[in-house]
Amino acid sequence: SQKIEQNSEALNIQEGKTATLTCNYTNYSPAYLQWYRQDPGRGPVFLLLIRENEKEKRKERLKVTFDTTLKQSLFHITASQPADSATYLCALDSGRRALTFGSGTRLQVQP
Amino acid sequence: NAGVTQTPKFRILKIGQSMTLQCAQDMNHNYMYWYRQDPGMGLKLIYYSVGAGITDKGEVPNGYNVSRSTTEDFPLRLELAAPSQTSVYFCASSDSGSKETQYFGPGTRLLVL
Repeated sequence: SQKIEQNSEALNIQEGKTATLTCNYTNYSPAYLQWYRQDPGRGPVFLLLIRENEKEKRKERLKVTFDTTLKQSLFHITASQPADSATYLCALDSGRRALTFGSGTRLQVQP
Repeated sequence: NAGVTQTPKFRILKIGQSMTLQCAQDMNHNYMYWYRQDPGMGLKLIYYSVGAGITDKGEVPNGYNVSRSTTEDFPLRLELAAPSQTSVYFCASSDSGSKETQYFGPGTRLLVL
């Protein structure tokens, strides 16, 4: 069956360090993969999109990698700040003109 | 632009009651979506629409109905509410499907007792 797995345990890091979040998937062949940020009580907000023929994408302090052989995407936040604390969701193009979302990983950045 | 708006923000329903969750977008997007999010879980797709007059089922459509008579509006109807429908409901829109950014509304929190 199709699965998208994100670490359900919260990730706690110190301010200034690099946070790395993982998204693994099985039985998908996505053409696109997206990352969203969700704050408590709010809707998700788009961060980055990466295509299957792109190995890496950057936007300011954010970096996403996409390895279609390993079926994995890594999401990095460099020089993390307490304001980066949120839940981060990965989402795959599921081939039906819609996205399928993972359950998200909560990031807590300690000052 | 207001983006994607949803009403109400919060509602309590009794088992068996019906209600309509409203969603509107002012970005002239063709694609609109309804998701539900249970605590600690990801978003599950209920229904989506690729344009006015066209809707299709998502992963968890049972107990829900939708219509899309205009580009702007995409209401979600709950008939005969059940406790299993207690959740947070998010509406989203995008310009051209899964290869583009989805813009989400603020959500409607629904409690069925």
